[in-house]
Amino acid sequence: ILNVEQSPQSLHVQEGDSTNFTCSFPSSNFYALHWYRWETAKSPEALFVMTLNGDEKKKGRISATLNTKEGYSYLYIKGSQPEDSATYLCAFSDYKLSFGAGTTVTVRA
Amino acid sequence: GAGVSQSPRYKVAKRGRDVALRCDSISGHVTLYWYRQTLGQGSEVLTYSQSDAQRDKSGRPSGRFSAERPERSVSTLKIQRTEQGDSAVYLCASSLAVGTSSYTQYFGPGTRLTVL
Repeated sequence: ILNVEQSPQSLHVQEGDSTNFTCSFPSSNFYALHWYRWETAKSPEALFVMTLNGDEKKKGRISATLNTKEGYSYLYIKGSQPEDSATYLCAFSDYKLSFGAGTTVTVRA
Repeated sequence: GAGVSQSPRYKVAKRGRDVALRCDSISGHVTLYWYRQTLGQGSEVLTYSQSDAQRDKSGRPSGRFSAERPERSVSTLKIQRTEQGDSAVYLCASSLAVGTSSYTQYFGPGTRLTVL
């Protein structure tokens, strides 16, 4: 069982503030790291797939970095908005996805 | 286009009963996965199948979990003799690729199973 850890488990952010959180994963036999955003009662939505050490990906106000040598990835949300409230899951993949427990972000207006 | 859908969205079962959960994946997708997400914990893959060949890789030692794929884009997850510990959200996902880790998996909305 691959150990994928996310921290913090939850966080509250004031609208307009920026925030970031972490995903750590096994650094050996790295294949790919996925970030998903999961809103209540909806399907998890793919944000990024990252494969190379040093990768940085951006989608609107959300960006992610990857360090495969030390086994971590950061997800950043710039200028948080209420619609950013969701659980953000990272997943380490070989043929399947091994998910962390997620970081639940609540943005307060 | 249509995404991945799952039914039912919510299911309540008495302990010891069998349940069946359905997934309709995206047409043309090759690989289909079933995951289980438990509140506050990570998820685990239960089974996956590639192409038309049902390759049921159950990760559960008791073997109570199995999946059938009667059509390429349809899968049914069967849980026998449900236990209270089976209460979780069951997610189905499909992918274009076979055995390629960097391809995105597309998820359904999940079925929330509660075992009483």
